[in-house]
Amino acid sequence: DQQVKQNSPSLSVQEGRISILNCDYTNSMFDYFLWYKKYPAEGPTFLISISSIKDKNEDGRFTVFLNKSAKHLSLHIVPSQPGDSAVYFCAASGLLQGAQKLVFGQGTRLTINP
Amino acid sequence: DAGVIQSPRHEVTEMGQEVTLRCKPISGHDYLFWYRQTMMRGLELLIYFNNNVPIDDSGMPEDRFSAKMPNASFSTLKIQPSEPRDSAVYFCASSLANEQYFGPGTRLTVT
Repeated sequence: DQQVKQNSPSLSVQEGRISILNCDYTNSMFDYFLWYKKYPAEGPTFLISISSIKDKNEDGRFTVFLNKSAKHLSLHIVPSQPGDSAVYFCAASGLLQGAQKLVFGQGTRLTINP
Repeated sequence: DAGVIQSPRHEVTEMGQEVTLRCKPISGHDYLFWYRQTMMRGLELLIYFNNNVPIDDSGMPEDRFSAKMPNASFSTLKIQPSEPRDSAVYFCASSLANEQYFGPGTRLTVT
């Protein structure tokens, strides 16, 4: 049972355009959501997060949107840059799971084309 | 801070051998996590510790896997005996709050 799903294994975007990565979850008890970015041969690095009490969080070029009724979150990157090419994982946690325990999606490989 | 440190970065071993992976968390972090990443299953949590105590080991695949955290600055993940299906990248992560910080991983190949 995959509680966190990233249905697009890959995404290709032109440099300067907006990249939108999507994530769906099934467990309504999740209350904290994170995005991680992973380059080859490195560990995932934390990018941005959002609590369930918010519907938007912004940090520079990165914005995460949360739609609790749809159990959906998205990461917007604008403008996209070649250095953004990486695998992006969304993750979720909730008190019942153990607040520190993250459940990860399968990842989306983002490629930014010059 | 040097971040989470893992060793070795690469390990190649023969089936049946014992493998020990090592992790040094970020100083001051009180949670430590071990993950395994494979193409088929993605990034899956194996076990995590809080203040050196194992909290949830439900992700440990079988008795061949064991993990210890003898002190706040060191943890090991041991596989004995190793099997080819254990080939994967193993990550250690540590945290103080919700955000986990990952090490560079150990790529394990069991032949």
